[in-house]
Amino acid sequence: EVQLLESGGGLVQPGGSLRLSCAASGFTFNNYGMSWVRQAPGRGLEWVSAINSGGEVTRYADSVKGRFTISRDNSKNTLYLQMSSLRAEDTAVYYCAKDFNRGNFDYWGQGTLVTVSS
Amino acid sequence: ETVLTQSPATLSLSPGERATLSCRASQSVGTFLAWYQQKPGQAPRLLIYDASNRATGIPARFSGSGSGTDFTLTISSLEPEDFAVYYCQQCTNWARTFGQGTKLEIK
Repeated sequence: EVQLLESGGGLVQPGGSLRLSCAASGFTFNNYGMSWVRQAPGRGLEWVSAINSGGEVTRYADSVKGRFTISRDNSKNTLYLQMSSLRAEDTAVYYCAKDFNRGNFDYWGQGTLVTVSS
Repeated sequence: ETVLTQSPATLSLSPGERATLSCRASQSVGTFLAWYQQKPGQAPRLLIYDASNRATGIPARFSGSGSGTDFTLTISSLEPEDFAVYYCQQCTNWARTFGQGTKLEIK
């Protein structure tokens, strides 16, 4: 059974940093690209970042480019999102998602809440 | 960036009726278009990929069509559990975008 378990969310002050983790199991992690997708309270889905299976290719939404860094450790079956210079508008539930087919997502974690507030 | 625009924002229908949801892309995405369903407090669920292929376990009442810039998700006969928010999503050069969503509510 595929499982994605996010952790690392919490309350952080504006300008602060936070690192999210996503522990994967139930599939061959190093065969699949992964993404982070967020959802602000009461709002729609926003894709944040993607990384290919080997970690050499990364992409970011314009809203987080230069502030967030996606990475992965295939030896630990874990995906990361390092977030810095956080803003109030980064407040959201952050989901990790497994790539399927051509850039779609077939499995999602349960999400971790990041709140940016003073 | 490819922008996806969904319509309508809200669709009010009754169980048993047919639902038609639209997604328009700002530039051609070929058939690289997926649809998701999201219920309150839950992660999204993949319904359709490559514009018209049902994901594993998705009932046959869900179907997708379209190519290029215009896409449609059709639910042939609404069941009570189908009332939710639906999102389209595309992938171009490894960058993804979602539409803003269509809320399907009970009339």
